[in-house]
Amino acid sequence: GQQLNQSPQSMFIQEGEDVSMNCTSSSIFNTWLWYKQDPGEGPVLLIALYKAGELTSNGRLTAQFGITRKDSFLNISASIPSDVGIYFCAGQNNDMRFGAGTRLTVKP
Amino acid sequence: DTEVTQTPKHLVMGMTNKKSLKCEQHMGHRAMYWYKQKAKKPPELMFVYSYEKLSINESVPSRFSPECPNSSLLNLHLHALQPEDSALYLCASSQGQRQNTGELFFGEGSRLTVL
Repeated sequence: GQQLNQSPQSMFIQEGEDVSMNCTSSSIFNTWLWYKQDPGEGPVLLIALYKAGELTSNGRLTAQFGITRKDSFLNISASIPSDVGIYFCAGQNNDMRFGAGTRLTVKP
Repeated sequence: DTEVTQTPKHLVMGMTNKKSLKCEQHMGHRAMYWYKQKAKKPPELMFVYSYEKLSINESVPSRFSPECPNSSLLNLHLHALQPEDSALYLCASSQGQRQNTGELFFGEGSRLTVL
C-alpha cells in the first residue's frame, strides 16, 4: 500500500527553537500536504505542495516536495507555545493517506 | 472556523442502537470523505464520494453505511456497532477527487463512544 513514514514521532523543544520533521514513502505522490491537529479538533491544512522540488512558505513554516516525489519535509522556525500539536504529512493521488504524525511540545 | 460542519459533536450509543453522523459543506466541493481516527493515530480513510457517487470504500464493515443525498451533504449511518468502533469520525471535502484538486478541508469531527 501507500505507506508514509513520518519522523520524528515526537519532539520536545524550547520556545524559540527551530523544528524539522519529514515524511518518506516507497510510493510516488502527486501532492504532498502538511496538516496540524489540535486536541478535539479536525486537521487544519498548513501547506500544500504540487510540484516536485517545490519549496513553499507560510509564515514561519516552510515545506518542500522532494525531487523524487517520495518525500517531503516541514520546518518551523522560531517556535512559539501555540505551535504545540500533532503535525501530519499526507500524500495524495486519487485519495489521501496520512503519516503517523509528529507530536510537538514547546516549553516556554 | 471550519467550513465543514459535523453533527453531532459527541455521540454515545449502545451496540443495538441505530444512529447517524451528518456532515455539510457549502464550498461547492464535489468530493466528500469519511475518515476514522483512533487516539494518537492518524486519520484512516473509510469512504470517498465523488460527484455524489461512492468511489472508494476501504473495505469498511457493513455496520457503517454512507449516504450522499446531494453534493453538500454526507451522512454515515451506524448500526450494531462494537466498542472498538469508538473513535473520532472526521468528514472532509475537496474541490475534486483527482490529483491536484484535493486540498482536504476537515470538519471538527464527531466523537463516537460505543458502550
